Amino acid sequence: GAVVSQHPSRVICKSGTSVKIECRSLDFQATTMFWYRQFPKQSLMLMATSNEGSKATYEQGVEKDKFLINHASLTLSTLTVTSAHPEDSSFYICSAHNLERGAFAEQFFGPGTRLTVL
Amino acid sequence: SQKIEQNSEALNIQEGKTATLTCNYTNYSPAYLQWYRQDPGRGPVFLLLIRENEKEKRKERLKVTFDTTLKQSLFHITASQPADSATYLCALTANQAGTALIFGKGTTLSVSS
Repeated sequence: GAVVSQHPSRVICKSGTSVKIECRSLDFQATTMFWYRQFPKQSLMLMATSNEGSKATYEQGVEKDKFLINHASLTLSTLTVTSAHPEDSSFYICSAHNLERGAFAEQFFGPGTRLTVL
Repeated sequence: SQKIEQNSEALNIQEGKTATLTCNYTNYSPAYLQWYRQDPGRGPVFLLLIRENEKEKRKERLKVTFDTTLKQSLFHITASQPADSATYLCALTANQAGTALIFGKGTTLSVSS
């Protein structure tokens, strides 16, 4: 199957700083990337859908000015958590999807990034 | 309201038995439904996808059924092994046109030897 990587795998930062998380599709072109957040013992919650070359679509309740998403190429999307606070501490997971393979193509998930804001 | 429910948070079974996990949804019309495996601290790994016009899908020891009338999917692992212990997530698209996945909370399966 296709491989999606995330960097960093773990990050600890001070409150008020910004953190950038990268999501890369290593062996296929991702027309669409999704960003999810998962709190302990909770489901993955979709934050935003990102299409290459266009603005991301955010889910209700997700602040677009706080969670900046850039999808500049078909293999890279970045999520920047701006002015992070302790309540932003969570497990952030991206997934990549190639719509050219058909609407039913499965999504490939990255390994996740554990963010801890002190 | 829209909901996805996986029948139990935890399921404990003996090695060699068949594990059956349930996913029920309300007020969605998914084009397809997927099952993922997630290990602690890791991203989900795709297992099976079943379309709305398919009743059953198999892959090695895994079997998925999809009943759009009951709005339910069953996920079976036959001849279970301790290595099958993980959290299993059900996910679906909100509607026929969507591609973003909506996930259930998952069922944590423990297979004891």
